[in-house]
Amino acid sequence: SAVISQKPSRDICQRGTSLTIQCQVDSQVTMMFWYRQQPGQSLTLIATANQGSEATYESGFVIDKFPISRPNLTFSTLTVSNMSPEDSSIYLCSVGAGESGANVLTFGAGSRLTVL
Amino acid sequence: KQEVTQIPAALSVPEGENLVLNCSFTDSAIYNLQWFRQDPGKGLTSLLLIQSSQREQTSGRLNASLDKSSGRSTLYIAASQPGDSATYLCAVGGGATNKLIFGTGTLLAVQP
Repeated sequence: SAVISQKPSRDICQRGTSLTIQCQVDSQVTMMFWYRQQPGQSLTLIATANQGSEATYESGFVIDKFPISRPNLTFSTLTVSNMSPEDSSIYLCSVGAGESGANVLTFGAGSRLTVL
Repeated sequence: KQEVTQIPAALSVPEGENLVLNCSFTDSAIYNLQWFRQDPGKGLTSLLLIQSSQREQTSGRLNASLDKSSGRSTLYIAASQPGDSATYLCAVGGGATNKLIFGTGTLLAVQP
């Protein structure tokens, strides 16, 4: 399965600032996803990062708050803009792999953000 | 809208005990179901994947079952060990797009 590297692994940020999280995959993948895990909660899908086009956002998430880039098939970034303490979460990148009907998601280790 | 629930939310067992974690989902039109393990401060590790046409999958001491019609899956862990302590998440896939809807998780503690 693909190996995913996320940076930063953790950061402490000030209210009102923005932070960009990077996700690098060791092989070309078609589908990349960004998830959020708030403290004590399960994972929620933020958006699907589409290569060469705008990301597809889930209900409750907007591009102005979470701009996403996907310049090629091995890399994506998620920016958390104008952060508030409510944005303190673990942000995880994941990729899909395998033939249709046998798809498995692989996750990065996550980026733990604390907003003061 | 698909909703995934896991019971219990937390579980503590003595080492060596067999245990069952439960996952239920509201929409039976799923593509697949995955069980993940999450260790503190780390990402997710995929444990088992069950396709919608399958009834169960086994890997070592782990066995996952799927009953689509009733909207349920179970993860059976045999002869539990302290190293099994983690949060276990189930997630259902709604189609070939790989989008997963995650359950609420079960925090497992295996006491030595």
